[in-house]
This record gives sequence, structure tokens and C-alpha cells, in this order.
Amino acid sequence: AQTVTQSQPEMSVQEAETVTLSCTYDTSENNYYLFWYKQPPSRQMILVIRQEAYKQQNATENRFSVNFQKAAKSFSLKISDSQLGDTAMYFCAFTHHNNAGNMLTFGGGTRLMVKP
Amino acid sequence: DAGVIQSPRHEVTEMGQEVTLRCKPISGHNSLFWYRQTMMRGLELLIYFNNNVPIDDSGMPEDRFSAKMPNASFSTLKIQPSEPRDSAVYFCASSSSWDEQFFGPGTRLTVL
Repeated sequence: AQTVTQSQPEMSVQEAETVTLSCTYDTSENNYYLFWYKQPPSRQMILVIRQEAYKQQNATENRFSVNFQKAAKSFSLKISDSQLGDTAMYFCAFTHHNNAGNMLTFGGGTRLMVKP
Repeated sequence: DAGVIQSPRHEVTEMGQEVTLRCKPISGHNSLFWYRQTMMRGLELLIYFNNNVPIDDSGMPEDRFSAKMPNASFSTLKIQPSEPRDSAVYFCASSSSWDEQFFGPGTRLTVL
């Protein structure tokens, strides 16, 4: 069974600074996807960034980037130039494809507060 | 595409009543997922369907919960009878294989 662990229940950062959210996972699969989802106070789950396990290059989406360490099974999210709108819950998630769909396993989430 | 559509957005009911939550996935997606989110337990997968067939319902709490997907464009999650501990936000999500899940806006259920 796969597990996803987010060891930081809450974090805060000053506006315009950089913050890194941690995520580790456990799996015996070799081919899989990793995701970071954002859930603002509106409750909507929004995909922030994805990483394919077979790709060595770390994914980047504007101010969001990941540090994917496959051997260490680590998948951290870095938010640069933090903005007030980044305040949200952030969930790390893992999936691998089986014959019957791509079930996601979520971590427990990290609540990020961006302070003005 | 309008994204994943859920209804109602809010539901308040009394203990013992039947509750039905509805979901319309994104057209062309072949997987559909029902999640429950609470402060205590976080985000839990209840059940998921692939090509309208239930694949894994091990997350369904008990027999009071049931889910159906009669066709590719509609699914329901039913709770009968409802209890106060069922109060939560219920999300529906859909995806095509090997891709991200797209979430609906959620239904906030309150059972009094």
C-alpha cells in the first residue's frame, strides 16, 4: 500500500519570501505521478503542479517548483515570492496507474499562512 | 467544459433523513471518485468508479452509504439514514487514466 506523509501541519511565511513544504511517500511502484493540490478557503481543490516519476527534471510552474528526490521518496514544494493568495491548505498526492484507474493517495495536508 | 458539477452545494438535514449527493463528471473522463473531508480525518476516498463500474468501495464507512453510477455522466452518493457524524464536505472528482483528478466544488453536508 502507498502512503503519503506531510510532516508540517502548519506553516507561515512573510509575503514575498520563499517557503518549502515537505512531502514523503512510500511505494514499491517504479512508475507513478506525484501532485501538489491547493485548497483555499473556498474549498475548491486546485492542481498546483505535477511530476512524473520517470522524469529526472524537477517540474516548475511559475512561482511553484518541486524538489523530487526519487531515491529518497521525497517530493517538496517550493513557493517563491509568496503572495497573500497562496494562503491555503496544500496536499501532496500520489498515484500509479493500474488496470482500473488512477486512485490518488493524499497526505494529511499543510496549512500555509502568508502574512502581509 | 464546465468542470465537475456537484449538487447541492449545501445540504442541511435532520438525523435519520435520506441524503442524496449528485455529481456530473467532466465529459470524456472515465474515472470518478467520491471523497469526504473532515477536520478530524482529513480527505478520505470513499469509492471510485472506472467506466461506470465500482472498483474500490473499501472507504465507504458503513452500509448506510451507497453510491451509483448509472451512466458516464452521472453519479450519486446516498446516505440513509443520515447521522450527525456524517457532517462533512463531500467532493466528487473525475479523471482520465494517468492524469490529474479534477475536483468539483464540494457539497457541505450538515446533519442536525
